[in-house]
Amino acid sequence: ETGVTQTPRHLVMGMTNKKSLKCEQHLGHNAMYWYKQSAKKPLELMFVYSLEERVENNSVPSRFSPECPNSSHLFLHLHTLQPEDSALYLCASSRHTRDRVPYEQYFGPGTRLTVT
Amino acid sequence: TQLLEQSPQFLSIQEGENLTVYCNSSSVFSSLQWYRQEPGEGPVLLVTVVTGGEVKKLKRLTFQFGDARKDSSLHITAAQPGDTGLYLCAGVQAGNNRKLIWGLGTSLAVNP
Repeated sequence: ETGVTQTPRHLVMGMTNKKSLKCEQHLGHNAMYWYKQSAKKPLELMFVYSLEERVENNSVPSRFSPECPNSSHLFLHLHTLQPEDSALYLCASSRHTRDRVPYEQYFGPGTRLTVT
Repeated sequence: TQLLEQSPQFLSIQEGENLTVYCNSSSVFSSLQWYRQEPGEGPVLLVTVVTGGEVKKLKRLTFQFGDARKDSSLHITAAQPGDTGLYLCAGVQAGNNRKLIWGLGTSLAVNP
């Protein structure tokens, strides 16, 4: 138990569906992250939130929309996804962001997303 | 461009054997983290190394940060089936950027 939970653990959705991924951290951290993990690729950082403010958006398509209502919760809203978006989506938190290295990441178990 | 090269990509060994996996780069890092990821789970932080030449031990795992802070190694003594997983290294770029760069990982299978 790492203190970061994600729901759902598995999601199958059609290209026209709208769904949301949820993440909650119980560690009292100030920063939260969304990552995409695909086979044969390094972890891809998608979004970073620091104290509920989005501080980083790494050229992610607009069909992915993050939301951070408070420092403990993070959502990733999905709509009109493509099959190539199928991957493991990981949420992470850290005590600080880049301003205070080394900002170790604490990950949730991930959501395995399949787009059909 | 792959900034952090991990080798080998795959490793399958018998219980009780020793092994070393590597994380190499041409870039300098201010610190480097090692994680283990088991199937169906997220990565779990094992250790952070900060100082060039630093050696840290975690039970049967020994982590070393290169003197020039461009590379790192993880040595496992007497591997056990519970060590099976994907070992990922991630380095914090030195300088103002401080971006966290991830390797592709080494997939380790320890057979009983």
